[in-house]
Amino acid sequence: EIVLTQSPDFQSGTPKEKVTIACRASQTIGTGLHWYQQKPNQSPKLLIRSASHVISGVPSRFSGSGSGTDFTLTINGLEAEDAATYYCHQSSSLPVTFGQGTKLEI
Amino acid sequence: QVQLQQWGAGLLKPSETLSLTCGVHGGSFSGYYWNWIRQPPGKGLEWVGEINQSGGTNYNPSLKSRVTMSVDTSRNQFSMNLSSVTAADTAVYYCVRGCRGCPGDYWGQGTLVTVSS
Repeated sequence: EIVLTQSPDFQSGTPKEKVTIACRASQTIGTGLHWYQQKPNQSPKLLIRSASHVISGVPSRFSGSGSGTDFTLTINGLEAEDAATYYCHQSSSLPVTFGQGTKLEI
Repeated sequence: QVQLQQWGAGLLKPSETLSLTCGVHGGSFSGYYWNWIRQPPGKGLEWVGEINQSGGTNYNPSLKSRVTMSVDTSRNQFSMNLSSVTAADTAVYYCVRGCRGCPGDYWGQGTLVTVSS
């Protein structure tokens, strides 16, 4: 099973700030890494697929990068609505797995 | 617009069987893997398993002995059963559309299942 480790577990930011969340895989996964945003009492929302492809409708301040074992989610210009928990997810091999989550406070 | 609507019992006693069903509205039912993912209160996401339109399944090894998934293509629905539940199975269960190597792009609204005596 591929283990995904996110860092940090918790992050606090201010509006307009740039923040990055890292996700490291225990084995190489190519670009089979995706990012979700989850707000309280809501289902997760897909933000980025395949490491760097931003989903249609997602604000352009969100971007992703990386391949192999190291990946990054970047929010360039934080807004209050970005307060949420962010999860990385690998679909490269079964069982698919998720990072433990990063809670972002604005 | 694809919508996933799920339903099932929300309160179970230990040793009972959890049963959930998810209906898919809009879009194609074929060509996808239909997943169940769960999230214990205040915790992260855990993949339970997946099923395709032909009934092919893959389960999380940690739950494999207790999980069964099925599909009803005539109704565009898929279901899961989890037997012998304990308090550790208390979670919000989501049904999710995916595909091989893909992320989950459409999620159901979630069903909180509580296991308590």
